[in-house]
Amino acid sequence: QSALTQSASVTGSLGQSITISCTGTSSDVGGYDYVAWFQQQPGKVPKLMIYNVSNRPSGVSNRFSGSKSGNTASLTISGLQAEDEADYYCSSYSRSTIVVFGTGTRVAVL
Amino acid sequence: EVQLLESGGGLVQPGGSLRLSCAASGFNFSTYSMSWVRQAPGKGLEWVSGISAGRGFYPDSVKGRFTISRDNSNNILYLQMNSLRVEDTAIYYCAVGYSTSSAWGQGTLVTVSS
Repeated sequence: QSALTQSASVTGSLGQSITISCTGTSSDVGGYDYVAWFQQQPGKVPKLMIYNVSNRPSGVSNRFSGSKSGNTASLTISGLQAEDEADYYCSSYSRSTIVVFGTGTRVAVL
Repeated sequence: EVQLLESGGGLVQPGGSLRLSCAASGFNFSTYSMSWVRQAPGKGLEWVSGISAGRGFYPDSVKGRFTISRDNSNNILYLQMNSLRVEDTAIYYCAVGYSTSSAWGQGTLVTVSS
């Protein structure tokens, strides 16, 4: 029941696009289209940014997009802004544990 | 507006018990699955329990020690935590849904220490 694997940190410049990856297995990310992405700013509650791989909840900027290929899901942030600086977590439905989160990626904006 | 308000956290000794509550409002509570997610200080998110139509689900890390339940008449979600360990120290959030939790409470801090 290991966590999904994310890179520890990603740094981008203002206006740039970055992509965060989330790697699992065929029992979670690869097997179901129930991947979500959460943004957590310091001291704040996690906020749902993407659900079901590529869907944006109402109110989330269209600069955020999600995709999946095989056992790896990705979150792309385009037109990077200072307010995007945060920790990002993926999650997936899992055959064994129902829900598994990723290890988290810290996004820094230069 | 969806609102989730957790309570029941605090300081407890290793081996002790605690019951968390989450008061829900602003949505049809009984028709939604619910989850508890925790975050240890400076660490990532960990799903610790979920419940749909009365059946609870748990990862191995808490199975046999934690029990999730719900009171649909009063719109309250519970998490009974027994045999607590130092590594259970975390902020505990209740959330609507499972892997795509669309709404979260502000969390309640549980500290397990002697």
